[in-house]
Amino acid sequence: DIQMTQSPSSLSASVGDRVSITCRASQTVKTYLNWYQQKPGKAPELLIYAASNLQSGVPSRFSGSGSGTDFTLTISSLQPEDFATYYCQHSYSIPLTFGGGTKVEIK
Amino acid sequence: QVQLQESGPGLVKSSETLSLTCSVSGGSINNYCWGWVRQPPGKGLEWIGYVYYSGSTNYNPSLKSRVTISVDTSENQFSLQLSSVTAADTAVYYCARVNGDVVEPPAIPDYFDYWGQGTLVTVSS
Repeated sequence: DIQMTQSPSSLSASVGDRVSITCRASQTVKTYLNWYQQKPGKAPELLIYAASNLQSGVPSRFSGSGSGTDFTLTISSLQPEDFATYYCQHSYSIPLTFGGGTKVEIK
Repeated sequence: QVQLQESGPGLVKSSETLSLTCSVSGGSINNYCWGWVRQPPGKGLEWIGYVYYSGSTNYNPSLKSRVTISVDTSENQFSLQLSSVTAADTAVYYCARVNGDVVEPPAIPDYFDYWGQGTLVTVSS
């Protein structure tokens, strides 16, 4: 199984801050990497697919980069509605696996 | 807008079979892949498996011996059965559409783009 490791596991930031979350795969996943946002009590929502493609309807302050084993989700200017937990997920092979999550909290 | 809705018992006894159904509205179940993801309380996400509209399936090897996912195109719904449940299977279960450039087997579809609201299933002893 490919293990997905996110860092940090949590962070505190202020509205307007630039925030970056890292996801590392235990072996290459090429660009088969997706990012989700999950708010408490809600289902995850797709933000980024194939490492860098913005899902329709997602604000342009979200961006994704990387390939191979190292990936980054960046929020260019954190908004109040962005406080949530973020997960990466690969689709390179079976089983599909998710990272452990990064909780973004208000400073 | 595609919408998914899970239904099924919220309480299952240990050693019995968990059964959930996901109803799809706002779009056809045909030409897509449909999956299940679960999340134990306070923990992360775990992929359970998916079914192509044709009926072909792919399961997480860690659950494969206990999981069956099936599709009913006439009813526009798909289902999950998980047998011999234990307390470790207590989780919120989500159904989701699995999409990508290719959604025909043997290609692995890429991402979960529509999700149900989730349903908590508790396994009791």
